Amino acid sequence: GESVGLHLPTLSVQEGDNSIINCAYSNSASDYFIWYKQESGKGPQFIIDIRSNMDKRQGQRVTVLLNKTVKHLSLQIAATQPGDSAVYFCAENMMGNTPLVFGKGTRLSVIA
Amino acid sequence: EAGVVQSPRYKIIEKKQPVAFWCNPISGHNTLYWYRQNLGQGPELLIRYENEEAVDDSQLPKDRFSAERLKGVDSTLKIQPAELGDSAVYLCASSLASVGEQFFGPGTRLTVL
Repeated sequence: GESVGLHLPTLSVQEGDNSIINCAYSNSASDYFIWYKQESGKGPQFIIDIRSNMDKRQGQRVTVLLNKTVKHLSLQIAATQPGDSAVYFCAENMMGNTPLVFGKGTRLSVIA
Repeated sequence: EAGVVQSPRYKIIEKKQPVAFWCNPISGHNTLYWYRQNLGQGPELLIRYENEEAVDDSQLPKDRFSAERLKGVDSTLKIQPAELGDSAVYLCASSLASVGEQFFGPGTRLTVL
């Protein structure tokens, strides 16, 4: 398949282990954050979002943590599976109608 | 329910040639976005439509790029003439409203030779 990016930071994890992907966002005024998953040859797919009035939100096997003090966002994936292999992007904006700004991606590689 | 549809999936052209991309958003989605994604980077917004109105085109290089969404449904993005630096994946996304979840299409990979 096609490669989304050739020079991305890469995280390699064993199948079944937990993964943590980090993101430093740029705008201290941002109040809405999203994690996207992008597989080769596909567009980004929404995983989970969080608003700035929260510091943690959980989904199915995924947890997003927000630290506004240091402008840091993380995505935790529990029991990582081969199907989780993809490039992950964080994105930020202000809910009052500003463009979504994507961060640099991280390639997650799951070792079976 | 069908997702966002884009065509073509791949396009190879020589520099200075024109090229056009087509997007059909999810039915009922009023907001449509065009993004450009360079290799190894996240998508960058080119233009956003609310129905047929372009409400944010500040990042669209207007000397060579144009877009339209005449009936507020499907949209085309055109480049004329294409330059080598335009090689990228062009993504279309749609959402129910401007603050809603964005659903992305598979993209068109453009290669300019």
